[in-house]
Amino acid sequence: DIVMTQSPLSLPVTLGEPASISCRSSQSLLHSNGYNSLHWYLQKPGQSPQLLIYLGSNRASGVPDRFSGSGSGTLFTLKISRVEAEDVGVYYCMQDVQTPLTFGGGTKVEIK
Amino acid sequence: EVQLVESGGGLVQPGGSLRLSCAASGFTFTNHAMNWVRQAPGKGLEWVSTISSTGRSTYYADSVKGRFTISRDTSKDTLFLEMNNLRAEDTAKYYCAKSGVFGVLIEAGFDSWGQGTLVAVSS
Repeated sequence: DIVMTQSPLSLPVTLGEPASISCRSSQSLLHSNGYNSLHWYLQKPGQSPQLLIYLGSNRASGVPDRFSGSGSGTLFTLKISRVEAEDVGVYYCMQDVQTPLTFGGGTKVEIK
Repeated sequence: EVQLVESGGGLVQPGGSLRLSCAASGFTFTNHAMNWVRQAPGKGLEWVSTISSTGRSTYYADSVKGRFTISRDTSKDTLFLEMNNLRAEDTAKYYCAKSGVFGVLIEAGFDSWGQGTLVAVSS
């Protein structure tokens, strides 16, 4: 199974400041189709998860452009250029290059 | 607007069975793979199962293989999860999620999620 490791586990941030979350996989997520099968989700408090970034770097529909995804192979990063209050919650990365699909353990983002 | 509405959760004794349903609307059901993801209380997300858009292919986490069965009814645009021989560790909120598609047949994450249905396994 592919192990997904996120860091940090907890990320206190200041409103208006940037934030960055790392996700490392135990095997390459580069699919034969040329895309990285790595996706980012945000679960806001009390809500269902929502897709933020798909295939490593593509923003999902309706996601603000302050969110960006980068990386390839085994190391990926989610960046928030300027954190807003509505960005608090738990961020998860997920791979689907092979089954079983696996999620990272989550990074809890909170406002300082 | 895409809507996914789960139902069928509840309290069941160990060894018991439940059938979860997910009613889908707002998109062409037969064009998308569908998934079940669960979240134990206070824990992270765990993938449970996926069914292809045609229904011909199914995939399961090792933790549920042989006990859970995913299926879909295209006449009713509904996804199902039949859960047998339930264990305490199956206690979780179960989410139905739609697979996105990018370009031609490239899976693009789970782009819509339901509100979840709670399953509690306890005597």
